[in-house]
Amino acid sequence: GAGVSQTPSNKVTEKGKYVELRCDPISGHTALYWYRQSLGQGPEFLIYFQGTGAADDSGLPNDRFFAVRPEGSVSTLKIQRTERGDSAVYLCASSRDRGTGELFFGEGSRLTVL
Amino acid sequence: GQNIDQPTEMTATEGAIVQINCTYQTSGFNGLFWYQQHAGEAPTFLSYNVLDGLEEKGRFSSFLSRSKGYSYLLLKELQMKDSASYLCAVRSGGYNKLIFGAGTRLAVHP
Repeated sequence: GAGVSQTPSNKVTEKGKYVELRCDPISGHTALYWYRQSLGQGPEFLIYFQGTGAADDSGLPNDRFFAVRPEGSVSTLKIQRTERGDSAVYLCASSRDRGTGELFFGEGSRLTVL
Repeated sequence: GQNIDQPTEMTATEGAIVQINCTYQTSGFNGLFWYQQHAGEAPTFLSYNVLDGLEEKGRFSSFLSRSKGYSYLLLKELQMKDSASYLCAVRSGGYNKLIFGAGTRLAVHP
């Protein structure tokens, strides 16, 4: 596609529920990143994929968070047993392998946990 | 660890010049980036510095001093549409993992 696509754009769920957020990166971008952004803060790194493998998952806050990218394109961020503190905008970005380091961000998925 | 500091808020007048500063502490520094983010929208790339000095791109310029751990973004001929958050981000290591500061909210008024 022309840009990074994320679905859903908005998700409201109840505490304790399971949530999946999807990211479709720019065609041909091998690197994919998930970030989380809370109100008034900058994006916080969660996980980085190079191809199908998670090359760096050091930003995942705990084992309730998991992400996959089985075919090296679309990625899914999975959150189990959601908590109110998980409420944030989850941003996905993709980039070429190297270059200037320009990350192309999607519009984000706004997650609200009640 | 890594630490990135930038002012929380700034205001400026349409047509004026504004400088947004960013200081950072990081290991394995490999580039500094500035992104613009309008409210409710995705961050968009503005500039990239890896060597010391000034990079100019139209109305926007970015400066880097690696020895001082310091960068600034200079916006000239401010327009109302420049009202946004400006995010300073540092890359360390061998891939494009960026660590972002909290952002500076710039308000441009007539």
